[in-house]
Amino acid sequence: AQSVAQPEDQVNVAEGNPLTVKCTYSVSGNPYLFWYVQYPNRGLQFLLKYITGDNLVKGSYGFEAEFNKSQTSFHLKKPSALVSDSALYFCAVRASDNYGQNFVFGPGTRLSVLP
Amino acid sequence: GAVVSQHPSWVICKSGTSVKIECRSLDFQATTMFWYRQFPKQSLMLMATSNEGSKATYEQGVEKDKFLINHASLTLSTLTVTSAHPEDSSFYICSTTRTGISSNQPQHFGDGTRLSIL
Repeated sequence: AQSVAQPEDQVNVAEGNPLTVKCTYSVSGNPYLFWYVQYPNRGLQFLLKYITGDNLVKGSYGFEAEFNKSQTSFHLKKPSALVSDSALYFCAVRASDNYGQNFVFGPGTRLSVLP
Repeated sequence: GAVVSQHPSWVICKSGTSVKIECRSLDFQATTMFWYRQFPKQSLMLMATSNEGSKATYEQGVEKDKFLINHASLTLSTLTVTSAHPEDSSFYICSTTRTGISSNQPQHFGDGTRLSIL
């Protein structure tokens, strides 16, 4: 079975400071990992994904994430947070051999960037 | 730009009304579409997987007679909430993958429909 944990409901960071939103996963086989962002009353927007290759993945809006197989983690990071980054962030996983099956989403982490 | 269009974005209606939500893929064929429900400050809950030309697959606990899904064409899936009641009030979101159901592609989401039943 697949599962995703986002241990923090809320992350607060000052504008200009680095931010990290944590994600750990459990999946049988190799994982495909994704980060999405959701703004109020909107659907989810894709930020980045890890499929294979380099463990550090760069995505939209200056975000990046590091895949750590030994720790089964895929934390989202950004070197310098913006107030406009304030939103709800979801981590999602899918097993690479789970063809045709849906993603499993984490519970979400609300990021607040304070001016 | 947007690749999935969801309509309407907001619905307010009386209890007992049936409400139809449309989800369209704009520039590609969507063999499979997913329908989610999201409660305030919570994650997405998969309701059903809609496959073009066949019956939808519902997740456990989701009433198929309550939430009717139709996927009659490769670009359109609809979710109808029949005889809606206040407990059906929620945010409903559809999604699909651009290249069908390949597991390494991200899902593309509609902007969601906020349904409020009075």
